[in-house]
Amino acid sequence: QVQLVQSGAEVKKPGASVKLSCKASGYTFIKFYMHWVRQAPGRGLEWMGIINPDGGSTTYTQTLEGRITMTTDTSTNTLYMELSGLDSKDTAVYYCVRDTLGVFDTWGQGTLVSVSS
Amino acid sequence: QSALTQPASVSGSPGQSITISCTGTSSDIGIYFLVSWYQQHPGEAPKLLIHEVSKRPSGVSTRFSGSKSGNTASLTISGLQAEDEANYYCCSFAGSNTWMFGGGTKVTVL
Repeated sequence: QVQLVQSGAEVKKPGASVKLSCKASGYTFIKFYMHWVRQAPGRGLEWMGIINPDGGSTTYTQTLEGRITMTTDTSTNTLYMELSGLDSKDTAVYYCVRDTLGVFDTWGQGTLVSVSS
Repeated sequence: QSALTQPASVSGSPGQSITISCTGTSSDIGIYFLVSWYQQHPGEAPKLLIHEVSKRPSGVSTRFSGSKSGNTASLTISGLQAEDEANYYCCSFAGSNTWMFGGGTKVTVL
């Protein structure tokens, strides 16, 4: 079955960077766009960006432009998201999500990133 | 890019119907049919409920239905059940390969 398994929780200091991974299985990785979505504690969902695994083209939300980098490794069917210049406002659960023709149909289990001095 | 506007909370008694609105603009909901809805229980990842305004994935109860009029999309839950108590989020394509979510609506079953 389609599955997205994300890396474990991270604790970072302000100003640091974090790189999360998301390993896909159960489908042909390069045929589906992928998103990252985050959710701060007690808050709503925030769309972060999208990547086409077949070629690596990306689009990011304007609010994170310059700090976010999404990449893929098609040899291991793994999606990555690196966020730099971390601030306490970046404390959130980060989800990778598969996109099927504009539908966020499969979500990873989420990775908690905590930013604290 | 501002979030789509949803009511913070909606409540209803078991068996009743409730409707959650999601208001966008003529640059997102108003011109695209890529509107979807997600249900999220505490501590869990969101789950797809409705896609392309009104389509239900296999396995989702027929009690959930979606619609759109102008710049506003709506999710209706009929025959409200205790298990429907959760947070609900709308999402819309916003052009230029970007997406946006609503702020979320907490549904309480009285």
